Amino acid sequence: DADVTQTPRNRITKTGKRIMLECSQTKGHDRMYWYRQDPGLGLRLIYYSFDVKDINKGEISDGYSVSRQAQAKFSLSLESAIPNQTALYFCATSDPGQHQETQYFGPGTRLLVL
Amino acid sequence: AQSVTQLGSHVSVSEGALVLLRCNYSSSVPPYLFWYVQYPNQGLQLLLKYTTGATLVKGINGFEAEFKKSETSFHLTKPSAHMSDAAEYFCAVSPSGGYNKLIFGAGTRLAVHP
Repeated sequence: DADVTQTPRNRITKTGKRIMLECSQTKGHDRMYWYRQDPGLGLRLIYYSFDVKDINKGEISDGYSVSRQAQAKFSLSLESAIPNQTALYFCATSDPGQHQETQYFGPGTRLLVL
Repeated sequence: AQSVTQLGSHVSVSEGALVLLRCNYSSSVPPYLFWYVQYPNQGLQLLLKYTTGATLVKGINGFEAEFKKSETSFHLTKPSAHMSDAAEYFCAVSPSGGYNKLIFGAGTRLAVHP
């Protein structure tokens, strides 16, 4: 079974809708991250969380919110989706005590906002 | 501020030829450097990383990279390309020590033709 899972894998929604992307991990890592990937731009950090009580904005947090429900779960919400939020979204985890904080990525969620 | 530049958004090689993917970085502190690979419809997978010590780093699938501080480079190479190497490759940098905020390059898509 995959260590980092994301649901859904694909989602089509309409402008103005609120949607949630979910991430779960079985690696036991404290740190979790949400990125978006756009062609030609690489991955950009949206939010990150060091533990359940610690959530921080990344470089492109506007229009997004997150919830860290438990150590293993980190959800990303689009409050009112807009077309330029069409992208591939990745969740990642890391452990500060191991592997110089190598990040481990989920398979991604492909989001299309019409 | 840290940044990563990957020269060439698309690279095409023949099967059996040398693979060279270029990455230059800027960092105000000694960096950790990473190469990730993304196969079609999959998440990112760590290929190799440099933290400290030996500047020539070997990774999975026959890839290696050399950290050259004087050139602020971390180019990825493989002596002989295989069809299965076709993927997108991302270089990333983070500050050594402390928390791991990864800054990604824009990515290089590698095509391997017979």
